[in-house]
Amino acid sequence: AQTVTQSQPEMSVQEAETVTLSCTYDTSESNYYLFWYKQPPSRQMILVIRQEAYKQQNATENRFSVNFQKAAKSFSLKISDSQLGDTAMYFCAFMTAQYNFNKFYFGSGTKLNVKP
Amino acid sequence: DTGVSQDPRHKITKRGQNVTFRCDPISEHNRLYWYRQTLGQGPEFLTYFQNEAQLEKSRLLSDRFSAERPKGSFSTLEIQRTEQGDSAMYLCASSLADRSFYGYTFGSGTRLTVV
Repeated sequence: AQTVTQSQPEMSVQEAETVTLSCTYDTSESNYYLFWYKQPPSRQMILVIRQEAYKQQNATENRFSVNFQKAAKSFSLKISDSQLGDTAMYFCAFMTAQYNFNKFYFGSGTKLNVKP
Repeated sequence: DTGVSQDPRHKITKRGQNVTFRCDPISEHNRLYWYRQTLGQGPEFLTYFQNEAQLEKSRLLSDRFSAERPKGSFSTLEIQRTEQGDSAMYLCASSLADRSFYGYTFGSGTRLTVV
């Protein structure tokens, strides 16, 4: 079974500062994908960043980057130069790559508040 | 393309009533997914379709739940004899089958409150 754990229910950061959200996961699969999704008050889940487990290089998307530690099963998200629009729930998610159907397993989320 | 649309946005119903939600996916996407998100939790998989075929259902989907995707376009999720435990946000998402591992496009959800 796949599980995803986000141990920080809520975090705050000042505008323009850097914050890191933690995520650990458990799986016996060797190949999989990891994602961070953002859910603002509008409720739509928006893809922030994606990592393929067989790639050692950490993914980056503008101000967002990840620290992927496969052996430790850790996948943290770093947000640089935080903006007010980054205020949202952030969900870490795992997707298997072994079968024809790719299902998400989500963590319980971290609520990020960016303060002016 | 306006993305994935869900209707209604909110639904309040009395216990025991039936409710139906609609999802319109991105038009060229052949896969459509339903997830349920309860308060303080991440979304959990309910079921998915490839074209009009329902290919997998979660154990969360009791026999009071039924989903359809006629003609492989929009989908409906019906809950019969609603219970308070059904209160949640129901999220729909879509993707192309051969690109699903790049992630899905989600809608804004239907929030169901059973009173």
